[in-house]
Amino acid sequence: DTGVSQDPRHKITKRGQNVTFRCDPISEHNRLYWYRQTLGQGPEFLTYFQNEAQLEKSRLLSDRFSAERPKGSFSTLEIQRTEQGDSAMYLCASSIQGAGYTFGSGTRLTVV
Amino acid sequence: QQQVKQSPQSLIVQKGGISIINCAYENTAFDYFPWYQQFPGKGPALLIAIRPDVSEKKEGRFTISFNKSAKQFSLHIMDSQPGDSATYFCAASVGANTGFQKLVFGTGTRLLVSP
Repeated sequence: DTGVSQDPRHKITKRGQNVTFRCDPISEHNRLYWYRQTLGQGPEFLTYFQNEAQLEKSRLLSDRFSAERPKGSFSTLEIQRTEQGDSAMYLCASSIQGAGYTFGSGTRLTVV
Repeated sequence: QQQVKQSPQSLIVQKGGISIINCAYENTAFDYFPWYQQFPGKGPALLIAIRPDVSEKKEGRFTISFNKSAKQFSLHIMDSQPGDSATYFCAASVGANTGFQKLVFGTGTRLLVSP
């Protein structure tokens, strides 16, 4: 598989529950990014990693959000105590210097 | 200063026509300017990208024109086809030579190519 893989593709959860998404980047890409996209809007940056180090976090990433990239390979994004406003597409991308960014197909979260 | 402004919000073009989407930026540190195509329910897919030392780049029917002094860049889709109907995003980033930082996206243009 040469692309960025995200799991699950869709998640429906009740308000107040915790959810976790996974992203598997392109294997040789050392940087990994998380974005959130709501309907009709452009993707908004959440956070990114170089290897296992989290280099930048957006103010959009409230205390209920946490992202990890143990061992610098796959990454997880956890949302605790979900709210209806968290409903969005969560996109993962990876990059390597000189090659640009590659996005996954995203995880569509619906909070009911 | 991190914003990328995109216009128009929506565009209708006849099959075979030229689609033109424009973007403007403020941050002169940006050194990588990609365009993405996104279909409903899918992630953005890279179409074409340019660096600021080049004024134009062409790949097939897609051309980026870049004006460094005006801090503007545009996407031209020649011979537009119904299959090009999608949402297009411009974006900008720092780090083309040192390692890419975050991408900043425009607000998107919904293109409809009528048969």
